[in-house]
Amino acid sequence: DAGVTQSPTHLIKTRGQQVTLRCSPKSGHDTVSWYQQALGQGPQFIFQYYEEEERQRGNFPDRFSGHQFPNYSSELNVNALLLGDSALYLCASIRDGRGELFFGEGSRLTVL
Amino acid sequence: SQQGEEDPQALSIQEGENATMNCSYKTSINNLQWYRQNSGRGLVHLILIRSNEREKHSGRLRVTLDTSKKSSSLLITASRAADTASYFCATDESNTGKLIFGQGTTLQVKP
Repeated sequence: DAGVTQSPTHLIKTRGQQVTLRCSPKSGHDTVSWYQQALGQGPQFIFQYYEEEERQRGNFPDRFSGHQFPNYSSELNVNALLLGDSALYLCASIRDGRGELFFGEGSRLTVL
Repeated sequence: SQQGEEDPQALSIQEGENATMNCSYKTSINNLQWYRQNSGRGLVHLILIRSNEREKHSGRLRVTLDTSKKSSSLLITASRAADTASYFCATDESNTGKLIFGQGTTLQVKP
């Protein structure tokens, strides 16, 4: 049973560019959440997708957007990248939106 | 924004000793969870305690929850070098899977 998979694992972008990160949830999970973790900090909730719609959102600007596909996989898009967007982006999946979250290994984004 | 504070920020102990980490939070919760993270990799779920529970055990882990003080503690008994990692508490206010994490405690267990 594959867990949560994320791609790419590492990427480097320059300011102003756009990035798309991808996530496949654990088998049987229908809800996907995205978190941003800056160096030395705890993860911060970006948003959560369920039934292909954004169900909850954290305190992130509209430059951060997402999508969930019918197979429950998800994308995180960040436009107009800033230096401060450099972080580890974690995807987590959950079944029925309750209980423990299963995390992927993350995508480490560096913005130069 | 972070939900609360974790204490201590860093902890260094010898193998075989017990490690205790504390977490405080600000709002009412449905459940509180503890996660472990190795060297900036993905987080691994350790234990979940619901707001109507006071104590929970899982192997060498013991978690307590005091909702009147809005605090929780994680005890790792008989620590091993492999327990070296960062530990995070996270609260779920409404049992919807939206977790608010603390800043974490970095634990180093020396062999």
